[in-house]
Amino acid sequence: DIQLTQSPSFLSASVGDRVTIACRASHDINNYLAWYQQKPGKAPKLLIYGASTLQIGVPSKFSGSGSGTEFTLTISSLQPEDFAIYYCQQLNSYPLTFGGGTKVEIK
Amino acid sequence: EVQLVESGGGLVQPGGSLRLSCAASGFTLSSYWMHWVRQVPGKGLVWVSRINSDGSSRNYADSVKGRFTVSRDNAKNTLHLQMNSLRTEDTAVYYCTRESVSVSGVVIPNDYWGPGTLVTVSS
Repeated sequence: DIQLTQSPSFLSASVGDRVTIACRASHDINNYLAWYQQKPGKAPKLLIYGASTLQIGVPSKFSGSGSGTEFTLTISSLQPEDFAIYYCQQLNSYPLTFGGGTKVEIK
Repeated sequence: EVQLVESGGGLVQPGGSLRLSCAASGFTLSSYWMHWVRQVPGKGLVWVSRINSDGSSRNYADSVKGRFTVSRDNAKNTLHLQMNSLRTEDTAVYYCTRESVSVSGVVIPNDYWGPGTLVTVSS
């Protein structure tokens, strides 16, 4: 199975900060990686797929990059509504797997 | 408007069975692959199962293989997850999700999610 390791697992940041979350895969997954945002009590929301393609309706402050085994999610200017947990998911091979999550909190 | 609504969750004893359903509306279910994802409250996301558009192909997480069965009734726009031999570690919120394909042929995973249904396995 492909393991995904996210770092950091916890991030404390201020409004307006630029934030970067990393996701490392245990094997080459090409660009078959997605990013999700989850807020308390809600279902996750798709942000990015194909490592860098922004899902329709997602603001351009979110961006994704990477290929192979190293990926990043960047939020260009953190806003109050962005404080949430972020997950990566690989779709290269079954079983599909998620990273452990990165909780972004207000400093 | 695309909507997915899960039902069938509840309290069940270890070793018991439960059947989850996911009612789809606002789109033609038969055109989409569908997934189940679960989440222990306060913990991370875990992929459970996937079924292709006509139900001829299915995949499962190792932790549920042989115990869970995913199926679909496209005529009724409904997805199911039959869960047998339930264990305490199956306690979680279960989400059904939709997988799409872009016009350029790129897979768009989990573009819509239901609100989830809570399954509690406990004696």
